[in-house]
Amino acid sequence: EAEVAQSPRYKITEKSQAVAFWCDPISGHATLYWYRQILGQGPELLVQFQDESVVDDSQLPKDRFSAERLKGVDSTLKIQPAELGDSAMYLCASTPRSQETQYFGPGTRLLVL
Amino acid sequence: SQQGEEDPQALSIQEGENATMNCSYKTSINNLQWYRQNSGRGLVHLILIRSNEREKHSGRLRVTLDTSKKSSSLLITASRAADTASYFCATDAGGSYIPTFGRGTSLIVHP
Repeated sequence: EAEVAQSPRYKITEKSQAVAFWCDPISGHATLYWYRQILGQGPELLVQFQDESVVDDSQLPKDRFSAERLKGVDSTLKIQPAELGDSAMYLCASTPRSQETQYFGPGTRLLVL
Repeated sequence: SQQGEEDPQALSIQEGENATMNCSYKTSINNLQWYRQNSGRGLVHLILIRSNEREKHSGRLRVTLDTSKKSSSLLITASRAADTASYFCATDAGGSYIPTFGRGTSLIVHP
């Protein structure tokens, strides 16, 4: 069964450093989401792509976060510079065109020291 | 932004018992979805119920939706230790199709 791939699975960095996360959605899925999940809370949407276009990035802290999906397939989420409060799980999800069910990857757990 | 709120925050039961968790939301929706998350993992979709549906079943799962009360419930019957996880509801504000998750219910099923 096809799965959403994410890497790395774990990342430890020091504050002020740059970090990048990668997501490869299920083949053919048009919509891709990046979420941040703080321990004990639900996922919070950071950015949503439809193919290569951004649909919603209203909750993305644009002074330090950036996301791209250049060819409408895989995606990269970057944080520069990282802050202590960025420690969280970063989840990627994708959905087939015209469907609502999201398929999540295993996530990248980030720890900022 | 629209957000569902799950209740209770935590639930501890014995294997074989039923588990019920609830989700309340604020504005009209197109659909409501339930997801499960095992510790430290990604979320897994369980069931989707549309705004014009009142009840859906999937195996040991039963979901109800009451749009007049803006609430949904997830019932897990004959629970198993493997059901131990966090359960989240996700709602979309009518027209947006952007899902928003609540804080979740943490379910522990004791063997």
